Amino acid sequence: DAGVIQSPRHEVTEMGQEVTLRCKPISGHNSLFWYRQTMMRGLELLIYFNNNVPIDDSGMPEDRFSAKMPNASFSTLKIQPSEPRDSAVYFCASNAHSYEQYFGPGTRLTVT
Amino acid sequence: KQEVTQIPAALSVPEGENLVLNCSFTDSAIYNLQWFRQDPGKGLTSLLLIQSSQREQTSGRLNASLDKSSGRSTLYIAASQPGDSATYLCAVNSGYSTLTFGKGTMLLVSP
Repeated sequence: DAGVIQSPRHEVTEMGQEVTLRCKPISGHNSLFWYRQTMMRGLELLIYFNNNVPIDDSGMPEDRFSAKMPNASFSTLKIQPSEPRDSAVYFCASNAHSYEQYFGPGTRLTVT
Repeated sequence: KQEVTQIPAALSVPEGENLVLNCSFTDSAIYNLQWFRQDPGKGLTSLLLIQSSQREQTSGRLNASLDKSSGRSTLYIAASQPGDSATYLCAVNSGYSTLTFGKGTMLLVSP
């Protein structure tokens, strides 16, 4: 299995632009998680899907952030409009019923 | 709200030493605890998962213990090697599969 796949690996954009991050979970996994990692705050859960349905989005910072999971093999995290404080590494993770989470390589986002 | 603390924040040891990384959590009502390794600029690699009913898990030179009642876990690394240099993260699952992470321990093993 290829593991969790994320794209792009690096994204540099200007403040105010829309950013879309993509994730393909491991086949057969029924849960998908989006995390954000910064030096100051560490790793924080943004949103969690189970069977393609958003279960907990309490970590989404504000309305500029949105996430979708149209099917079991694809999810997007969108930031519109982006701000410099959104600069971070965004990770996608997935798991099955064993609860052991598997992480993707991350997308490093820089907003100038 | 669950809070996870890892001590020390950084650790530097010579090759061959045995070492212990510590993790504490505030709410003992957990489902499981997971230890991860993160190399610079990389994603997280799962090392060990301990269910709440378990006391420890072992994988090669790694041994993780869990004392749920006291809110503590330790990761023991035997005979450390330079390739073990990385940041080690502890994460607690308090329900619905969501993980709360500590800030990590940055380990440097020098040859």
